[in-house]
Amino acid sequence: DADVTQTPRNRITKTGKRIMLECSQTKGHDRMYWYRQDPGLGLRLIYYSFDVKDINKGEISDGYSVSRQAQAKFSLSLESAIPNQTALYFCATQTGDHTEAFFGQGTRLTVV
Amino acid sequence: DQQVKQNSPSLSVQEGRISILNCDYTNSMFDYFLWYKKYPAEGPTFLISISSIKDKNEDGRFTVFLNKSAKHLSLHIVPSQPGDSAVYFCAASAGAQKLVFGQGTRLTINP
Repeated sequence: DADVTQTPRNRITKTGKRIMLECSQTKGHDRMYWYRQDPGLGLRLIYYSFDVKDINKGEISDGYSVSRQAQAKFSLSLESAIPNQTALYFCATQTGDHTEAFFGQGTRLTVV
Repeated sequence: DQQVKQNSPSLSVQEGRISILNCDYTNSMFDYFLWYKKYPAEGPTFLISISSIKDKNEDGRFTVFLNKSAKHLSLHIVPSQPGDSAVYFCAASAGAQKLVFGQGTRLTINP
């Protein structure tokens, strides 16, 4: 089983719909991140959380919200999906300062 | 404001030769740098890292060089192999802060 699991792996949704992407980890890491990947723009940070009670906005948080339900779970919601939110979304975990981050396999989201 | 920049979207190298991927950063507080590799339909995987107290770190075929005065780091792959064809991301963090990534460089190794 993967250490960082994202569900669903693929999703097509309609404009205006609410959608939730889920991330769970078995690594026991405190830090969790949500990034989106777009061609030519790299990995841009949406939200991050350094422990269960800590939620921080990243560089592109507008239109998104998150919930850190437990140390192991970090969900990303699109309250009202729009087509320019079509992208590849990645969840990552990190144990602390100056350490590598571990990524899930990604969720490909298409908003039509 | 792009704090970590990879100005080459793509790079093509012949098998067996050296691949050099470059990354520039603007935040002088960054003190830890990483390189990730990404294949299609997979998440990025960690390759190698370097702390700001060093100027070089080596792991097998992969070497990362850090030039703090120029705010520049590079990843050298020697010799390049077909399996190295992927998108490479550099990333940086400052102390206890979040990880920030660059735009990525697509490396293609030609036989």
